[in-house]
Amino acid sequence: DQQVKQNSPSLSVQEGRISILNCDYTNSMFDYFLWYKKYPAEGPTFLISISSIKDKNEDGRFTVFLNKSAKHLSLHIVPSQPGDSAVYFCASMEVNSGGSNYKLTFGKGTLLTVNP
Amino acid sequence: DTGVSQDPRHKITKRGQNVTFRCDPISEHNRLYWYRQTLGQGPEFLTYFQNEAQLEKSRLLSDRFSAERPKGSFSTLEIQRTEQGDSAMYLCASSHTRVWGGTTNEKLFFGSGTQLSVL
Repeated sequence: DQQVKQNSPSLSVQEGRISILNCDYTNSMFDYFLWYKKYPAEGPTFLISISSIKDKNEDGRFTVFLNKSAKHLSLHIVPSQPGDSAVYFCASMEVNSGGSNYKLTFGKGTLLTVNP
Repeated sequence: DTGVSQDPRHKITKRGQNVTFRCDPISEHNRLYWYRQTLGQGPEFLTYFQNEAQLEKSRLLSDRFSAERPKGSFSTLEIQRTEQGDSAMYLCASSHTRVWGGTTNEKLFFGSGTQLSVL
């Protein structure tokens, strides 16, 4: 069962426009959410995160929005740049019985292409 | 130390051979994770260490797989009697701890991975 779903395998946007990447999750125990960016033949690189106590977190050109009732989060990149072209993974963290989060569950990723 | 280091970057082996991968985490991180990623999928959790203790293993980790972190620093992942289905990128990550409202949330830092091809 896919607990974290990224339903768009790919997205193409024009340089300077907004990129919106979406992610849905099913596990109500998830309470911390992260976005990772991955280039080919490299490991994922942390981009931005959000705790379930917030509905928005912003870092420069990147903003993550969380809608807990809909179990949905999105990553907005504005303005998009060609160097943003990569695979973006949504990941969620589950609280374990000790109150410490440690295991990430990833979606399948969305390939973003930003055209000059 | 600028990040998580994994060695080798690539490994090609014949079916039935044993392989071992090494991971050096960020020096002050006490948690170390192994993930596996196949084509078209996101990384999947394999196992996790806190210091030298292996605290959880995924059901994906068959008895042919063994991971160690003998001194709480570097870790090794060994696959015995490799099969073609083991072909994947094996990712190591390490983390520090941040506290949100009484629970800890962790940001994982990943290495570049070891790409395994079993022929």
